[in-house]
Amino acid sequence: GNSVTQMEGPVTLSEEAFLTINCTYTATGYPSLFWYVQYPGEGLQLLLKATKADDKGSNKGFEATYRKETTSFHLEKGSVQVSDSAVYFCARREMGGSEKLVFGKGMKLTVNP
Amino acid sequence: DTAVSQTPKYLVTQMGNDKSIKCEQNLGHDTMYWYKQDSKKFLKIMFSYNNKELIINETVPNRFSPKSPDKAHLNLHINSLELGDSAVYFCASSPHRNEQFFGPGTRLTVL
Repeated sequence: GNSVTQMEGPVTLSEEAFLTINCTYTATGYPSLFWYVQYPGEGLQLLLKATKADDKGSNKGFEATYRKETTSFHLEKGSVQVSDSAVYFCARREMGGSEKLVFGKGMKLTVNP
Repeated sequence: DTAVSQTPKYLVTQMGNDKSIKCEQNLGHDTMYWYKQDSKKFLKIMFSYNNKELIINETVPNRFSPKSPDKAHLNLHINSLELGDSAVYFCASSPHRNEQFFGPGTRLTVL
C-alpha cells in the first residue's frame, strides 16, 4: 500500500485561519520528505522539504518539521490567504538510491475571503 | 525560459487511437519522469529515465512506451487508448537525488 498517509479533505477555511495538514509515512530508514503544492490548472511545485530528522522546512509562511519519533511531517501555516487555495501533497523519497517519490493522496484546500 | 514543458496541454481522442505526449526540460537534469494523476488527484509514477536509461518502470500496461532520445527529452507514446487512460499526465525532472520539477501537465480525454 501507499507509504505516505495524509489528510484527504477537502478542507475549506476562512482567510487568516490556522492550517494543519497531517502527514505520516512508513519507512525503514530516514527518507527525504517533501510537501508539494498544485495550484488550479498547474503542475506540482515544491513547497518545502526536509532531508533528516528534526529538520524544519519552511517557505511562503508554511512550515513542516521532520519528526522521526512519530514518523510525521505535518504542514502548518499560521494565517492562510485566498491565494493558498490549492491541492497539497506530502511525499517521501524511496530508500535505496531510487529517485522515486511516493505521494500521499493530496488534500484540496479552499480559502474563502 | 520554461523549465519543464509538455505538449500538448490538452488531448482529446477516440478509443483505440495512438497518441504521443512530448516533454522537454532545459534545466540540465539527468533524470526525467512520467506521472499519471487520476480524477481524484492521486499521483502515481509511471516511468523514470536517467541519462536516457530506464530506471523505474512501474506496473504500467505495455501500451505505454516511453522514449528518451536525449537527456533533455522524455516522450510518452500510448497505443490503443482506452477510456481508463483519461487523466492528467505530468512530466518531471530532477538533478541526482534532489527535488523534482514538474511540467504543467497534459490533460488526456479518451472518448
